Amino acid sequence: QLQLQESGPGLVKPSETLSLTCTVSGGSISSSSYYWGWIRQPPGKGLEWIGSIYYSGSTYYNSSLKSRVTISVDTSKNYFSLKVNSVTAADTAVYYCARSTPTFQSDYWGQGTLVTVSS
Amino acid sequence: QSALTQPASVSGSPGQSITISCTGTSSDVGSYNLVSWYQQHPGKAPKVMIYEGTKRPSGVSNRFSGSKSGNTASLTISGLQAEDEADYYCCSYAGSRIYVLFGGGTKLTVL
Repeated sequence: QLQLQESGPGLVKPSETLSLTCTVSGGSISSSSYYWGWIRQPPGKGLEWIGSIYYSGSTYYNSSLKSRVTISVDTSKNYFSLKVNSVTAADTAVYYCARSTPTFQSDYWGQGTLVTVSS
Repeated sequence: QSALTQPASVSGSPGQSITISCTGTSSDVGSYNLVSWYQQHPGKAPKVMIYEGTKRPSGVSNRFSGSKSGNTASLTISGLQAEDEADYYCCSYAGSRIYVLFGGGTKLTVL
C-alpha cells in the first residue's frame, strides 16, 4: 500500500524559508506513470495547488507562487521536497503531499502537516 | 486564473440525493474531461471520490457519480448517509500554463 508522509518544521519565522519533505513508501517515486505534488490548505479555507514534479525533475508550478517555490526530487531516497521562500503569515497552512496522474488527478495523499509562520 | 465556483453549502436528508456543482470556464472544465472530486472530513486529508470526470476509484461507493455539461461539472451523491457529511472540493486540469484549479469547497450537511 502506497504511503506518503510529510515532515519538516511546524514553525517558521516570517521572511525565512519553509522546507518540507515527503517520503514515499510502498512504491517507487521513479514510476513513469505518476507525478508528485504539494497542495496546501490555510486554516478554515480551501485547497490550493502549489506544484508538482516528475521523477525526471520536470516541474510544474502554480503561477501565483512560482517566484517563491521550488520542488525537487531525490529518486535514490524516494522522496521529494518543497521550499517556499520569503514566507509571510499568509503561508500558514496544512501542507499535503500527494501522488497524481499526468493530468494532476491526485489519488494518494499524505496526512498533512501544519506549518505556522510566526515570529 | 480564478478558482472554480462551488456552492458554499448543500444539505439533504438521509436517503435523498444531492448534487454539488462546480463551474469553471471554457479554458478548464469546459475543455477537458479531467475534473476530480475530493471528500474531506474534519482534520483529515482529502480523499478522491471521482476522477477524470466520471470515474470512481476502487473502494468508492457507487452512490457517488460525476458528470459534466458545458463549463459545469457536478457531483451527485445518492442515498445520502450520515457519513457523507463532509467538505467536497472539485479540481480541474486547466491546460499547460495554469495546470490545476480547485473549487472553493462545499460543505455537505446531512440533516
